[in-house]
Amino acid sequence: EVQLVQSGAEVKKPGESLKISCKGSGYSFSTYWIGWVRQMSGTGLEWMGIIYPGDSDTRYSPSFQGQVTISVDKSINTAYLQWSSLKASDTAMYYCGRLPRGSNKYIDYWGQGTLVTVSS
Amino acid sequence: DVQMTQSPSSLSASVGDRVTITCRASQSINSNLNWYQQKPGKAPKLLIYAASNLQSGVPSRFSGSGSGTDFTLTISSLQPEDFATYYCQQTYITPPGTFGQGTKVEIK
Repeated sequence: EVQLVQSGAEVKKPGESLKISCKGSGYSFSTYWIGWVRQMSGTGLEWMGIIYPGDSDTRYSPSFQGQVTISVDKSINTAYLQWSSLKASDTAMYYCGRLPRGSNKYIDYWGQGTLVTVSS
Repeated sequence: DVQMTQSPSSLSASVGDRVTITCRASQSINSNLNWYQQKPGKAPKLLIYAASNLQSGVPSRFSGSGSGTDFTLTISSLQPEDFATYYCQQTYITPPGTFGQGTKVEIK
């Protein structure tokens, strides 16, 4: 059974750093992309970026380039999303998802989400 | 970026109704259009990929059609568990795989 399990909710202060995780199981982790999607409270879905665990090829949405870092440790089937200096506007639910290797990069399996709250 | 516009933003329907949601892209995206369902407090779920392909395990009352710039998600007979928000997503040009703003399907 394909599963993506994300790390737990976080409460941080502005300016702090954070790294959240997404662990895949039940499939060949290195041969599917992993993507991250943001959902701010009451709003829609925003595609942040994706990473291919096989070679760490990473692609960011222009809106998130330079704002976050996506990484992976394929030895433990885990992808990461990190911030070096959080802002209140980073408060949101963050989902990871699995994307097939083909040109149509839809998300066929999703993690349960990690709620990040940034507040002074 | 390719802009995706869904209509309507919300709709009220009764169990058993046929429901149609449309999604328009700002430029041609061939058939690189996907549909997701999201229930409150839950992660989205893939329903349809590549415009018309039903994801495994998704009931056959869901169907998708279209190509180019205009796409449709149809629920042939609305069931109680279908009340949710539906999102389209283009994956013709990534990054980013732009999502539509969502259509909330509510109980009439």
